[in-house]
Amino acid sequence: SYELTQPPSLSVSPGQTARITCSGDALPKKFAYWYQQKSGQAPVLVIYEDIKRPSGIPERFSGSSSGTMATLTISGAQVEDEADYYCYSTDSSGNHSGVFGGGTKLTVL
Amino acid sequence: EVQLVESGGGLVQPGRSLRLSCAASGFTFDDYAMHWVRQAPGKGLEWVSGISWNSGTIDYADSVKGRFTISRDNAKNSLYLQMNSLRAEDTALYYCAKGPDGSGWSFDYWGQGTLVTVSS
Repeated sequence: SYELTQPPSLSVSPGQTARITCSGDALPKKFAYWYQQKSGQAPVLVIYEDIKRPSGIPERFSGSSSGTMATLTISGAQVEDEADYYCYSTDSSGNHSGVFGGGTKLTVL
Repeated sequence: EVQLVESGGGLVQPGRSLRLSCAASGFTFDDYAMHWVRQAPGKGLEWVSGISWNSGTIDYADSVKGRFTISRDNAKNSLYLQMNSLRAEDTALYYCAKGPDGSGWSFDYWGQGTLVTVSS
């Protein structure tokens, strides 16, 4: 079955840039989506279709994708950005199966 | 404002069945695909199943295929998940999620979830 791979954890200081990667064989053909989940809360969409930011999401959140890797970048991370981040995509086999990466715990301190 | 309210969770014995519901409001329900996503305690997110606006496209994760059935009633603005032959590993918080504008198989809004516990 198709898999997306993320680093389990990342730690940055406030104001630094955090880059969270997501690798998957189908990413050259399929969009990546990024979800933020704070402790005890439902996930929130922060990036869709590789690079687009929903309204209400701060500009410090951006996305990129090249080859088999998608990247979520938080420029000038804030303490309130501490959360689990999940990438999501679909495989390229023609079915409609969704898959999440394992998640990355971002610590900002 | 988009609202998704899940219900139907609870404690159930292994092998039994449960039906989850999701009541949607704040958008034109029959214009959008809908999904179920679950999260086991302390674990990551797992896509469970999705259904297109007209129920013409349906798919399931391999882990639930043959046991779970997704459906929708556009007249009632409601999404359902019939879960049969439940296993301990199905224990999770089950989220209802709305598909995006266009034909993408992803989600832009989530409910708060309903907890399913499978245990004897």
